[in-house]
Amino acid sequence: GDSVTQMEGPVTLSEEAFLTINCTYTATGYPSLFWYVQYPGEGLQLLLKATKADDKGSNKGFEATYRKETTSFHLEKGSVQVSDSAVYFCALSVMLYNTDKLIFGTGTRLQVFP
Amino acid sequence: NAGVTQTPKFRVLKTGQSMTLLCAQDMNHEYMYWYRQDPGMGLRLIHYSVGEGTTAKGEVPDGYNVSRLKKQNFLLGLESAAPSQTSVYFCASRGTGANVLTFGAGSRLTVL
Repeated sequence: GDSVTQMEGPVTLSEEAFLTINCTYTATGYPSLFWYVQYPGEGLQLLLKATKADDKGSNKGFEATYRKETTSFHLEKGSVQVSDSAVYFCALSVMLYNTDKLIFGTGTRLQVFP
Repeated sequence: NAGVTQTPKFRVLKTGQSMTLLCAQDMNHEYMYWYRQDPGMGLRLIHYSVGEGTTAKGEVPDGYNVSRLKKQNFLLGLESAAPSQTSVYFCASRGTGANVLTFGAGSRLTVL
């Protein structure tokens, strides 16, 4: 079935380090792909998305490219900040009956230290 | 803008008790969802609704019931709580034609 696999955390980095969080997916058809971020004590919020192969989503210095050939959507940021500490969820959108359904990965906790 | 509001934010129950979580959205969204978040398991869909008066089962519906009597509200009920239902519950909504969800801040439920 459809699924999302992302690297386990926590990922611990120093400020200004380069970040990569891996995400791969299995899906029939052509899903849309998303990264959501959850800050402590809050709900999830959309970070970026891509709707077709080779699209690059970007926001707040984060980027991810929809790679159909490797079924991946890895999240990257060139220089992380302490304020980026959060849990990051990769997700894909599939049709379920008459609505889109989001399938989430298990989340990756990022901890950034000064 | 309130967005999606969940009440209560925290609740402790004893096994066998019942309770209802309320989700309210002020964005006139058609679609609403209830997820539970557990460590190491990400978010799992419990129930969802594609419009006022409709509900449908998600991945893990057992032990839960839902109602959508008004478009802006989506209620999640536990008739007889079990410790396995200890979790953080998130409500989300989206508009027609959109595939991005707006989430509430979550409701942490502990069943003793």
